[in-house]
Amino acid sequence: AQSVTQLGSHVSVSEGALVLLRCNYSSSVPPYLFWYVQYPNQGLQLLLKYTSAATLVKGINGFEAEFKKSETSFHLTKPSAHMSDAAEYFCAVSGNFGNEKLTFGTGTRLTIIP
Amino acid sequence: GAVVSQHPSRVICKSGTSVKIECRSLDFQATTMFWYRQFPKQSLMLMATSNEGSKATYEQGVEKDKFLINHASLTLSTLTVTSAHPEDSSFYICSATTDTEAFFGQGTRLTVV
Repeated sequence: AQSVTQLGSHVSVSEGALVLLRCNYSSSVPPYLFWYVQYPNQGLQLLLKYTSAATLVKGINGFEAEFKKSETSFHLTKPSAHMSDAAEYFCAVSGNFGNEKLTFGTGTRLTIIP
Repeated sequence: GAVVSQHPSRVICKSGTSVKIECRSLDFQATTMFWYRQFPKQSLMLMATSNEGSKATYEQGVEKDKFLINHASLTLSTLTVTSAHPEDSSFYICSATTDTEAFFGQGTRLTVV
């Protein structure tokens, strides 16, 4: 069984400030972890994924995440927030790259303060 | 990147009617397709897993006779909401996968009035 917990349903940061979105996972098998972004009334876009290679994963739009097995965490960060980063972010876990179902966290809504 | 087209993006239907939602992988053949449902301000919940040429596998609590899934080819899966009721109003998202990644459609906002 797999699950994901996203701490903080809403996060607000000032433009230019550090973005930190938290994700902790539980998995009975080596996990594959993902971060997706969703803009209003749209589907999901993959930001980055961890597939058991490098623990520090770099994604699109300046985001990165670090897999920490000891903490069962996969937090998403971005050094400097931009107004266009305002969206809903979902952490997800799978037991495989892609052809297994994804189990999603409850999401974190990121608001950027001008 | 790979493109998944989901149609329609929005649909309003009367209670008791049926609605069909299409999910197409435009530039790749999908190993598997998944259908998710998202309630307002909530996460995505998997409804069913669909493989071409076989019956869909539904998650616990999802009525297979109400949410009919047909996976006619490696590039097309359809979800039909039968005898829709207002409580079926939701955002439905499909995902088409290769061996290495899942690609999502744009979603369908269903409103049953």
